[in-house]
Amino acid sequence: GNSVTQMEGPVTLSEEAFLTINCTYTATGYPSLFWYVQYPGEGLQLLLKATKADDKGSNKGFEATYRKETTSFHLEKGSVQVSDSAVYFCALSERRGGSQGNLIFGKGTKLSVKP
Amino acid sequence: KAGVTQTPRYLIKTRGQQVTLSCSPISGHRSVSWYQQTPGQGLQFLFEYFSETQRNKGNFPGRFSGRQFSNSRSEMNVSTLELGDSALYLCASSLAQVNEQFFGPGTRLTVL
Repeated sequence: GNSVTQMEGPVTLSEEAFLTINCTYTATGYPSLFWYVQYPGEGLQLLLKATKADDKGSNKGFEATYRKETTSFHLEKGSVQVSDSAVYFCALSERRGGSQGNLIFGKGTKLSVKP
Repeated sequence: KAGVTQTPRYLIKTRGQQVTLSCSPISGHRSVSWYQQTPGQGLQFLFEYFSETQRNKGNFPGRFSGRQFSNSRSEMNVSTLELGDSALYLCASSLAQVNEQFFGPGTRLTVL
């Protein structure tokens, strides 16, 4: 079945460091790909998305490119801030018979950014 | 526009009891999905409703059920609670035929 694998961390970085969180997926067809972020005590917020191969999603300095040839959707940010400390989830959406489908999540990567 | 709201935010129950959780989607959204989040299993899909019909179901036992009302509000019910049902239950809503899901803050269920 479809699945998402991401580095589990935790990842600890200093402020202004470069961030990469790896995400690879297994899917039939052409899924949409997402990164969600969860701050402590809160629900999930959509960070960015890409719906087809070679699409680049970007938001708040974060970027990820949908790479069909390597089945990857790695999250990157050039300079992290303390406020970026959170858990990041990679996810894919599969469509079934017209339904918008359900999201399949990776295990999440906890990021801690130190001043 | 108000976001997805879930009630209650926290709940404590004992084994064998049943519980009902509520989710109010963003105004105009007709699709509601439910997810269970635990430290061990991560985020797992429970079910999806659209126009009062269950469209998709995850791999959970029949003790987990849900429904959606004509105003798109949704409830999920868990009967005969087990310790392993302790989790954060997240609800998400979306417009029909659009992938993007907006999540509520969740209901934290603790089973003692």
